[in-house]
Amino acid sequence: SQTIHQWPATLVQPVGSPLSLECTVEGTSNPNLYWYRQAAGRGLQLLFYSVGIGQISSEVPQNLSASRPQDRQFILSSKKLLLSDSGFYLCAWSVSVGPQHFGDGTRLSIL
Amino acid sequence: GENVEQHPSTLSVQEGDSAVIKCTYSDSASNYFPWYKQELGKRPQLIIDIRSNVGEKKDQRIAVTLNKTAKHFSLHITETQPEDSAVYFCAASKRTGFQKLVFGTGTRLLVSP
Repeated sequence: SQTIHQWPATLVQPVGSPLSLECTVEGTSNPNLYWYRQAAGRGLQLLFYSVGIGQISSEVPQNLSASRPQDRQFILSSKKLLLSDSGFYLCAWSVSVGPQHFGDGTRLSIL
Repeated sequence: GENVEQHPSTLSVQEGDSAVIKCTYSDSASNYFPWYKQELGKRPQLIIDIRSNVGEKKDQRIAVTLNKTAKHFSLHITETQPEDSAVYFCAASKRTGFQKLVFGTGTRLLVSP
């Protein structure tokens, strides 16, 4: 069966520091991968999606970037974090037109 | 682009009652509508989904209905239990080879024993 792993689970970073969140999927090939952000008490905002290695589409212009160096690996990065980057970051996967399944998320706090 | 509105934002019911959450979407090309349940601090979990070629789908105490003409869909939970308490999100997308889901703002359901 397919599983998705996200780490770290929680992260506290100072303003201006870099960021790297990682997501990996097991048990499937060529998944579609997604990064979402959820602000406290709010809905899910799609940040990036990828349909294949090296293929990244951005939904929201901001100081975040994403990369997909391997088929089942998706990385969310920032060179300099802002206070507004705080939130719950969720990675998700799907195959073809199947449903999206979410990882356990990373709770990011910016100080 | 697609816009999904969800109501109510909060819903309180007594255990055993039914709960209904409604969503409307704007893009008539949308044809896939999933519902997710998110418990506090946890990941959203898919509980049921419906595609535009059907009007209703049931899974035990949960059902979803779709009215394509009116562009709205609803989640129905019967015989609610305290463990149904969570935030529920609806979403919509077009089947274009991958899903670009647009989510509603969520409904916080509280089931009191």
